[in-house]
Amino acid sequence: EPEVTQTPSHQVTQMGQEVILRCVPISNHLYFYWYRQILGQKVEFLVSFYNNEISEKSEIFDDQFSVERPDGSNFTLKIRSTKLEDSAMYFCASTTRGQGYSEQYFGPGTRLTVT
Amino acid sequence: DAKTTQPPSMDCAEGRAANLPCNHSTISGNEYVYWYRQIHSQGPQYIIHGLKNNETNEMASLIITEDRKSSTLILPHATLRDTAVYYCIVRVHHTNAGKSTFGDGTTLTVKP
Repeated sequence: EPEVTQTPSHQVTQMGQEVILRCVPISNHLYFYWYRQILGQKVEFLVSFYNNEISEKSEIFDDQFSVERPDGSNFTLKIRSTKLEDSAMYFCASTTRGQGYSEQYFGPGTRLTVT
Repeated sequence: DAKTTQPPSMDCAEGRAANLPCNHSTISGNEYVYWYRQIHSQGPQYIIHGLKNNETNEMASLIITEDRKSSTLILPHATLRDTAVYYCIVRVHHTNAGKSTFGDGTTLTVKP
C-alpha cells in the first residue's frame, strides 16, 4: 500500500540554525500539507500546498517557514532560523484530488529537537 | 468547520466493541464527519468518514444520528493495537482539499 514517507525521523539542531524536513507524498496525490505537534499538545495545521503554491497557511507559518516542491516527488518544509519553541513532531500529509474527497494520508513524522 | 466534543478517555476490553461518541451539534448540512486516530505519536491515520448515512469499512463503522448532531465510531472487536487517540473532525469537503482541525480527541485504552 502506498504511503507518505518522511526524512529524517529525528533531527537535532541548534537554535538559529536552518533545517529542512523532507517528505515524499503518495505519487498520484496533488495536495500536500504540513502539520506539527508539540509534545503533549494537539496536532496543528501549518500549511497546505497545491499546484506549486500555498493554498492556505496558519498563523504559526510565519516568515521563518517556507515550503517547496523542488521536483516531482519531494515536498519540503524549511525553517530558516530555528527557535526552541519549534521543537515538535512535524507531519507531512497528502491527498488525492477526488471530487471534493479529502481523506488525508499522514507520514510517520520528523521529531525536531532544537537545543 | 463545526466544533466537536469528545470524552477525554475511554477503556475497552480486548475483543469487545469500542463505541466512541462525538457531539457536533452545530454541524451544517454540507459538513462531513471524519474520524482519524493517532497511535503513540505516529502520524494520524484516517479511519472513516460520512455525511448522513451510516458507513462501514474494514476498520470501523460510523453511525450518524438522524439529526446529524452526534455520531459514534464503532471498532467491532477491539485489539490492544487499537489503543490510540481518536479524533472526530467535522469539515466541509473542499474542491481544493482543505486542512483538518484536530481537537483533543478521545484516548482509547484497550485492556487485556
